[in-house]
Amino acid sequence: DTGVSQDPRHKITKRGQNVTFRCDPISEHNRLYWYRQTLGQGPEFLTYFQNEAQLEKSRLLSDRFSAERPKGSFSTLEIQRTEQGDSAMYLCASSFRESSYNEQFFGPGTRLTVL
Amino acid sequence: GQQLNQSPQSMFIQEGEDVSMNCTSSSIFNTWLWYKQDPGEGPVLLIALYKAGELTSNGRLTAQFGITRKDSFLNISASIPSDVGIYFCAGLNSNSGYALNFGKGTSLLVTP
Repeated sequence: DTGVSQDPRHKITKRGQNVTFRCDPISEHNRLYWYRQTLGQGPEFLTYFQNEAQLEKSRLLSDRFSAERPKGSFSTLEIQRTEQGDSAMYLCASSFRESSYNEQFFGPGTRLTVL
Repeated sequence: GQQLNQSPQSMFIQEGEDVSMNCTSSSIFNTWLWYKQDPGEGPVLLIALYKAGELTSNGRLTAQFGITRKDSFLNISASIPSDVGIYFCAGLNSNSGYALNFGKGTSLLVTP
């Protein structure tokens, strides 16, 4: 399968714990995006990388959230001291910068539940 | 980012009927994308639009980029049960960045 992959698919944690999610983009894609989606809403942008550089961050990305893409391939999203309000689906997407098209392809998501 | 106005919120139709949904924005976009999302899965890209007035088809799906650049429309012809899902519009202005702005979705139910 050459699509975007995310791990884990589901995560249940207790409030106050730290969690980390991984995203592997489509292999030739050099742009990678993180979005968050809550029930009944469309995805909301969190941040995006071009290669290893984090170029854009949303105000939704509080200081408890940190994202990395150290080698310009896979990315991790860490949430520290989780809160119940962090419960959501975390989606990763990727796209190809050299294409003139802005199509973003999404992974299956990681469903986070904070108890 | 801004949230787009997508309507209708939900539709309940019979198999074989045509479906229309639309999306409006207060800002100009240079890209409109339409996605379909099944429960527990990520959105799947259906159609991408890049020019004002552009009309693009993908099988039974047809989408249009509004001439004002502030709206887009998606039509599904001859609906079938597997069309069930939530359809999202997303707009982007690459001159301002690459964050997609999404609508709240249109939930489509199709009865056989």
